[in-house]
Amino acid sequence: KAGVTQTPRYLIKTRGQQVTLSCSPISGHRSVSWYQQTPGQGLQFLFEYFSETQRNKGNFPGRFSGRQFSNSRSEMNVSTLELGDSALYLCATKRGGTDTQYFGPGTRLTVL
Amino acid sequence: QKEVEQDPGPLSVPEGAIVSLNCTYSNSAFQYFMWYRQYSRKGPELLMYTYSSGNKEDGRFTAQVDKSSKYISLFIRDSQPSDSATYLCAISQGGSEKLVFGKGMKLTVNP
Repeated sequence: KAGVTQTPRYLIKTRGQQVTLSCSPISGHRSVSWYQQTPGQGLQFLFEYFSETQRNKGNFPGRFSGRQFSNSRSEMNVSTLELGDSALYLCATKRGGTDTQYFGPGTRLTVL
Repeated sequence: QKEVEQDPGPLSVPEGAIVSLNCTYSNSAFQYFMWYRQYSRKGPELLMYTYSSGNKEDGRFTAQVDKSSKYISLFIRDSQPSDSATYLCAISQGGSEKLVFGKGMKLTVNP
C-alpha cells in the first residue's frame, strides 16, 4: 500500500512570499494533520482536516491555513513568509478516530 | 507546564546496550501512547502503540506505561547501530483529539 506523499520535498522561498504544500494520504485515510518541526520547538501541531472540515487547530498565526479536498488530499498555505517559518513540514494521515497516524517524508522549507 | 516532557539528550551508547527513553505528561485524560522513530531527513515512523498501563513488547522494543505516575518509557534491548535515530513520544486523549509530541531524544548507537 502506498504511503503518505508530500510535494514538493524541498522548497526555498524569500521573506514575504507565500507557499503551498501538498499532502496525499494513504488510500482510505480521511484525516490529515499538519505539523511543523524545528530543532528548537520539536513537532508542533498546525491543524487537522477530516472530511474536508478543519477538526482541530494549533496555536499558529492566521498566516498558516489549510484545506482538504473531496479525495482527502490536503494542502497547507503559508502567506507572508518569515525567516522563522523555515522548518520541516510534515503531514500525517489516519483513517479517523483513534487510529494511529502515519507520516509523510516532509517538505523542507527554507526562507531566506 | 508542558503537556509532554521528554529529555532531548543526545544519548550515545555502545552497540548491545539496553536503552531507556522516557516521557512524562501532565494531563490524566491522555489515554493513547505512542513512540515514533525518525531517521535523519525522514518523517517519523510509528514504532509502538499502547492504550493502557502496562508493558507491550515487540521484538527488541518494550513500551511501558504507568498512568498513575504519568510516565511512559521505551526500552531497546541489544541496541544496534541501525537504531540510531530520534525517538519521539506522542500521546493523545483519543477520539478526534490531536497528538501531542515530546521534543524527541536523539540516540546514537556506536559499533
